[in-house]
Amino acid sequence: GESVGLHLPTLSVQEGDNSIINCAYSNSASDYFIWYKQESGKGPQFIIDIRSNMDKRQGQRVTVLLNKTVKHLSLQIAATQPGDSAVYFCAEILTDKLIFGTGTRLQVFP
Amino acid sequence: KAGVTQTPRYLIKTRGQQVTLSCSPISGHRSVSWYQQTPGQGLQFLFEYFSETQRNKGNFPGRFSGRQFSNSRSEMNVSTLELGDSALYLCASSLGDRGGETQYFGPGTRLLVL
Repeated sequence: GESVGLHLPTLSVQEGDNSIINCAYSNSASDYFIWYKQESGKGPQFIIDIRSNMDKRQGQRVTVLLNKTVKHLSLQIAATQPGDSAVYFCAEILTDKLIFGTGTRLQVFP
Repeated sequence: KAGVTQTPRYLIKTRGQQVTLSCSPISGHRSVSWYQQTPGQGLQFLFEYFSETQRNKGNFPGRFSGRQFSNSRSEMNVSTLELGDSALYLCASSLGDRGGETQYFGPGTRLLVL
């Protein structure tokens, strides 16, 4: 069953296309950011992280970009696959607490 | 390594009852954090335990409490359950040495209060 909100912003992409999921964070003092993926009925799964002294970090098929000037974070997924369908959360570390954004639902169509 | 495990996976209670949820962290992780996830409020931080002590706390009423054992396993208790406590309760573990580290989540316990 559903484990996250019913009114999340949704990004629909075709299989094979690139996806870009955006996130605005709240505090300029945050120095560590994480992207999580949550599939229905499961807990959030770590995807990739980035420290505030970096502006880009690449993983396998994923890239995170950090723009501290406008407090913006993005997650790029290359060659999106059906298995990428999930809710994606950004999270910032602030005073040792993990603060989550509201999430974006990614739907991948064949 | 085994991941974070939570028991039970599903639970149905009635208003006024109490409930205890359990979390076993990844081996070697000493920090355990608890979150409540609901459709309306998203993921909200409840508290964090490290070395059997509560290190951080969110903005939840005193009905929500927790503890951590010497083996780093943690339990969360909710007393006098209310309908609004229906949620997915997630536990996450991290090494915990310096706080603010990557946390790894369990599958959650889905609580339904009738």
